[in-house]
Amino acid sequence: DADVTQTPRNRITKTGKRIMLECSQTKGHDRMYWYRQDPGLGLRLIYYSFDVKDINKGEISDGYSVSRQAQAKFSLSLESAIPNQTALYFCATSPIWGDTQYFGPGTRLTVL
Amino acid sequence: KNEVEQSPQNLTAQEGEFITINCSYSVGISALHWLQQHPGGGIVSLFMLSSGKKKHGRLIATINIQEKHSSLHITASHPRDSAVYICARADGLTFGKGTHLIIQP
Repeated sequence: DADVTQTPRNRITKTGKRIMLECSQTKGHDRMYWYRQDPGLGLRLIYYSFDVKDINKGEISDGYSVSRQAQAKFSLSLESAIPNQTALYFCATSPIWGDTQYFGPGTRLTVL
Repeated sequence: KNEVEQSPQNLTAQEGEFITINCSYSVGISALHWLQQHPGGGIVSLFMLSSGKKKHGRLIATINIQEKHSSLHITASHPRDSAVYICARADGLTFGKGTHLIIQP
């Protein structure tokens, strides 16, 4: 079984809808991250969490919110989806600062 | 601004060629991460390095912390090396835009 899982893997939704992307990990890592990837722009950090009580905004947090329900779970929400949030979303984990990151398989989100 | 710049953005080479991908960063870091993303989308870690050189199979990564520069080399390149190669600050906060590598048979 994969160490970092993301659900759903693909999602098509409409403008204005609320969407939640979920990330779960079995690696026991404290640090979790949400990124979006757009063609030509690379990976950009949305939010990151160093533990359950510590959540930080990344470079592009506007329009997104997160919830760290447990050490193993980190969810990303789009409160009111808009078309320019169409992207590939990745969750990642790492054990400590500066250590190797482990990525989930990605969620392809399309907002019509 | 913490920037990470990669070059080239795109690279097409023939099988067997020696490949070099460069990464430079504007703010000092203690370590750098090299990642590989295959056409299917999955991202895997190749190297995390803070000094000197690391080697894994045909892949070699070097870093010069003082010069804020790192390189990823592929020896005897093969079509299966075709992928996007990404460098990133080890803290996971900033990534380069990636180098799209195609190795032709």
